[in-house]
Amino acid sequence: GENVEQHPSTLSVQEGDSAVIKCTYSDSASNYFPWYKQELGKRPQLIIDIRSNVGEKKDQRIAVTLNKTAKHFSLHITETQPEDSAVYFCAATTSAGTASKLTFGTGTRLQVTL
Amino acid sequence: DGGITQSPKYLFRKEGQNVTLSCEQNLNHDAMYWYRQDPGQGLRLIYYSQIVNDFQKGDIAEGYSVSREKKESFPLTVTSAQKNPTAFYLCASSSQGRYEQYFGPGTRLTVT
Repeated sequence: GENVEQHPSTLSVQEGDSAVIKCTYSDSASNYFPWYKQELGKRPQLIIDIRSNVGEKKDQRIAVTLNKTAKHFSLHITETQPEDSAVYFCAATTSAGTASKLTFGTGTRLQVTL
Repeated sequence: DGGITQSPKYLFRKEGQNVTLSCEQNLNHDAMYWYRQDPGQGLRLIYYSQIVNDFQKGDIAEGYSVSREKKESFPLTVTSAQKNPTAFYLCASSSQGRYEQYFGPGTRLTVT
């Protein structure tokens, strides 16, 4: 089955700096890669995603890049703010049809300091 | 994701008891999922269902059971056979033909 590795496990940046979180996946058939943000005790929230036919996607201060050849994808957050502090999860899926079986990374705890 | 509800928010049970966690959605989504989250780990898929009266095992189905009698509901039963049931349980749903999954608020189960 699919295996997703995520690094780093913790990341501390100063407010205004950029943050980068990286994930690798094992199954070359994976075709959808979402990123979720989870605040303490809350549900994961989908913040951005990318399909396998796209190399990069941006949404305001966040962007995701995908390298299919190397089987890795990254989350980039620019101009970080204290409210960006949370745990971020990457995921991958090979499923088509009605249901998508997501395999998640182990998460990155991002702390934005003042 | 506001259309997915889970109850209760906190649940306490004694070891050896079965317990059922509720998940309801009013988004008209076809697919529903159950994940388990442990501290320091990612989400792991327990069961998923693509349509009513059909469901498949995920990566960690042992000790769990589900039913899908209605499109809106996908309850999860944690049985006494689950060796380490204490965890945060998240339900999710997705629309037919779309990959995006949206999560409910979760149920934190503590078994002592």
